[in-house]
Amino acid sequence: EAGVTQFPSHSVIEKGQTVTLRCDPISGHDNLYWYRRVMGKEIKFLLHFVKESKQDESGMPNNRFLAERTGGTYSTLKVQPAELEDSGVYFCASSRARLAGEKYFGPGTRLTVT
Amino acid sequence: GENVEQHPSTLSVQEGDSAVIKCTYSDSASNYFPWYKQELGKRPQLIIDIRSNVGEKKDQRIAVTLNKTAKHFSLHITETQPEDSAVYFCAATDIFQGGSEKLVFGKGTKLTVNP
Repeated sequence: EAGVTQFPSHSVIEKGQTVTLRCDPISGHDNLYWYRRVMGKEIKFLLHFVKESKQDESGMPNNRFLAERTGGTYSTLKVQPAELEDSGVYFCASSRARLAGEKYFGPGTRLTVT
Repeated sequence: GENVEQHPSTLSVQEGDSAVIKCTYSDSASNYFPWYKQELGKRPQLIIDIRSNVGEKKDQRIAVTLNKTAKHFSLHITETQPEDSAVYFCAATDIFQGGSEKLVFGKGTKLTVNP
């Protein structure tokens, strides 16, 4: 099966601009997660979708971040306006089942805010 | 909330030696502990996981041990090979709460296996 895909692979934007990241989960995976790794730190949870519904968005850092998953398929994560501290690698992961269903990660989007 | 500490941050071994990476967690409710391997430029991939009702799990050259009392778990790689070089992340979560099963990660260990 095709893996989780993310677009773009890299994005360089200026502070104050807007960026939208996209994640396409594995087909049939209802659970979709967004994580972020800031340079040298741990991978941190941002939010979790079950189909099109937000199950848990406790990790979203502030209201500059907006995630959507229209129709329960692909998801977007928009950062508006971007700040320097938003730089990092944004990972998407999907899983079919709960109860420790394996979470498959995408390759990540490296975001650099200058 | 849960907090996961991972040590060491870097580890260099000779090919054929063993490597051990240790993690501690703070939340006694955590009951699922996966390990991910991320090779340079690639996505994190699950290599082994363990649930809290098991003390040890092995898969060929990789093993994970869990000590619930002490709240720590470790990854053991035997007979290391250069292709084991990567960043390894431990994680913890509660899979029975009916929630998101969000993973709380350690900061990662960069393992280098020298030929």
